Amino acid sequence: QQQVKQSPQSLIVQKGGISIINCAYENTAFDYFPWYQQFPGKGPALLIAIRPDVSEKKEGRFTISFNKSAKQFSLHIMDSQPGDSATYFCAAYPGGGNKLTFGTGTQLKVEL
Amino acid sequence: EAGVAQSPRYKIIEKRQSVAFWCNPISGHATLYWYQQILGQGPKLLIQFQNNGVVDDSQLPKDRFSAERLKGVDSTLKIQPAKLEDSAVYLCASSLEHGAYEQYFGPGTRLTVT
Repeated sequence: QQQVKQSPQSLIVQKGGISIINCAYENTAFDYFPWYQQFPGKGPALLIAIRPDVSEKKEGRFTISFNKSAKQFSLHIMDSQPGDSATYFCAAYPGGGNKLTFGTGTQLKVEL
Repeated sequence: EAGVAQSPRYKIIEKRQSVAFWCNPISGHATLYWYQQILGQGPKLLIQFQNNGVVDDSQLPKDRFSAERLKGVDSTLKIQPAKLEDSAVYLCASSLEHGAYEQYFGPGTRLTVT
C-alpha cells in the first residue's frame, strides 16, 4: 500500500519560474516530512524538511507548505534554475521510527 | 567528512547468478540501511541495521537476498540467485543513530540482470 502519493510525475518549467510538487499521505503517525533531491548517478540528498506543527518552512529558494488537516504538503522552488533539474522525492517518517517512506518521484526539467 | 561509499557502481549479471554489494557508512554512524530503487520509483527499504543487529528486514526477500554487517561498520548485500526483476539501483544509507531523522545516501550500485 502506497503511503505517500506524489504528483506530477514529470514537470517542465522555464528558467525563473516556480516549480511546484505535491504530496499527500495517509498515515497520521508520520511526524517528519523531508524532501530529497537526486541527480542522475547519485544517491538522494536531503534538501529541506518540515514537522507537522509548522505550516511553512523556507530555505533559500525552496519552500515547503504543509496542510495537516488535508494531509498534504508541497515543495515550491522559486526562480527555478537549470541546475535544479533533478528528480525530487517527498518522504515521510513515523514518530520514533526510521522507516522512511518515499513518494514515487518527480522529474523536474528547467529549460532556458 | 567522507560520505557513504558503495562498490561496485555498476554490475551486469545473468539471471540465476549471484552478486554482492558493499557499503561503508559514514564514520561513527550506528544505523545502516539498504534500499532498492527500481527505475521510476522511490527507494524502498530492504533492511536496517543498528550496529551489527537487524532492526527491520520485513521487506527483504529472504529466499534470495541476504545482508550482514559484521563488526557494526561495513555491510554487504547479496542476491542469490538473481531474477530479472532485481534490476534496480541498490542504495546504502547511514544515520547517526536509530531514530535520527537525517539519512545520508551513497551513490548506489546499478544492477542489471539479463
